[in-house]
Amino acid sequence: GAGVSQSPSNKVTEKGKDVELRCDPISGHTALYWYRQSLGQGLEFLIYFQGNSAPDKSGLPSDRFSAERTGGSVSTLTIQRTQQEDSAVYLCASSPYPSGNTIYFGEGSWLTVV
Amino acid sequence: AQSVTQLDSHVSVSEGTPVLLRCNYSSSYSPSLFWYVQHPNKGLQLLLKYTSAATLVKGINGFEAEFKKSETSFHLTKPSAHMSDAAEYFCVVSDRGFQKLVFGTGTRLLVSP
Repeated sequence: GAGVSQSPSNKVTEKGKDVELRCDPISGHTALYWYRQSLGQGLEFLIYFQGNSAPDKSGLPSDRFSAERTGGSVSTLTIQRTQQEDSAVYLCASSPYPSGNTIYFGEGSWLTVV
Repeated sequence: AQSVTQLDSHVSVSEGTPVLLRCNYSSSYSPSLFWYVQHPNKGLQLLLKYTSAATLVKGINGFEAEFKKSETSFHLTKPSAHMSDAAEYFCVVSDRGFQKLVFGTGTRLLVSP
């Protein structure tokens, strides 16, 4: 596609429910990133994929968070048993890799846990 | 580890006056540095990037930034602010493999008529 596409754009969920956030990167981009943007925390790195593998998961805040990428394309970020502190904008980005290339961001998925 | 410090949380300017958004970085090697802009309820858009080529980097919408190693700075400037420049600006440093971007806390630019 023309840009990084994320869905849903907005999600309101009840505390304790599981949510899935989807990212469709720019066609041909092998690198994919998830970031979280929340009030008071700024932008936090969550996870990085190169192809289908995730060499860096260091930013995932707890074991309730997981992510996968299939076919070197679409990625899903799953949050289990959501808590109110999970409320944030989840941003996906992709890059054609190797290093030196621009990283392009999607518009984000706004998650509100009530 | 790399880090960036944006020295101002808010900057207010009048339309037509110069813009200066300050950023200092810390890196154990020659860094790659970026400025991103985020308009309300929008995603992040790359303004410009420095990757060890020319120290004066020109970006979109008339913005530019100068990499100063001696001062560990990468300040963003624009000669004349426009109302449409009002947004949040992030200074960013990446690791060598571009596997991780480290964001500053952001500077909100306010432009008054």
